[in-house]
Amino acid sequence: GNSVTQMEGPVTLSEEAFLTINCTYTATGYPSLFWYVQYPGEGLQLLLKATKADDKGSNKGFEATYRKETTSFHLEKGSVQVSDSAVYFCALDTTSGTYKYIFGTGTRLKVLA
Amino acid sequence: DGGITQSPKYLFRKEGQNVTLSCEQNLNHDAMYWYRQDPGQGLRLIYYSQIVNDFQKGDIAEGYSVSREKKESFPLTVTSAQKNPTAFYLCASSIRGRAGETQYFGPGTRLLVL
Repeated sequence: GNSVTQMEGPVTLSEEAFLTINCTYTATGYPSLFWYVQYPGEGLQLLLKATKADDKGSNKGFEATYRKETTSFHLEKGSVQVSDSAVYFCALDTTSGTYKYIFGTGTRLKVLA
Repeated sequence: DGGITQSPKYLFRKEGQNVTLSCEQNLNHDAMYWYRQDPGQGLRLIYYSQIVNDFQKGDIAEGYSVSREKKESFPLTVTSAQKNPTAFYLCASSIRGRAGETQYFGPGTRLLVL
């Protein structure tokens, strides 16, 4: 079945450090891939997405490339800020049967000043 | 501003009580969803609806019920049959409920059992 695996957190970085959060997936067909961010006590916000292989999603300095050969969609940012502290969720959508998202378990990022 | 509103922000349930969580959207989206979030876990789909007067069970529908009488509204009732209701509940919507669409989320309702 479809599934998403994210690296476990928490990830703790100093401000201006390089960030990578790993995400790999298992899916039938060709899903779209998403990264969402959740700040404390809030709902999820779309950070970026990619709808086909080799697409790169980017937003607010974050990037992720849809790698079909490695079934991965790793999130990267060159220089993190304290305001990036949040929980990050990787997700895919199903392309057959019921349309829905499959979410990873989330990775908490803490950035220290 | 268009968006999704959920109320209340916090909700307390007594044993044997049914409670209803509100979700309203003014994005003119056809599809709406309810998710449950537990600590350290991803989101799990409870119910979804792609059109007014129609809805389907998600992965964890037992102990929950929904209605979709209006396009803008998708309330979720947590019934007394749900034995472990303490969680953060998120409502979302998307344009048609089709592949590749972005889902837009509300701010969530935290349900606690007294």
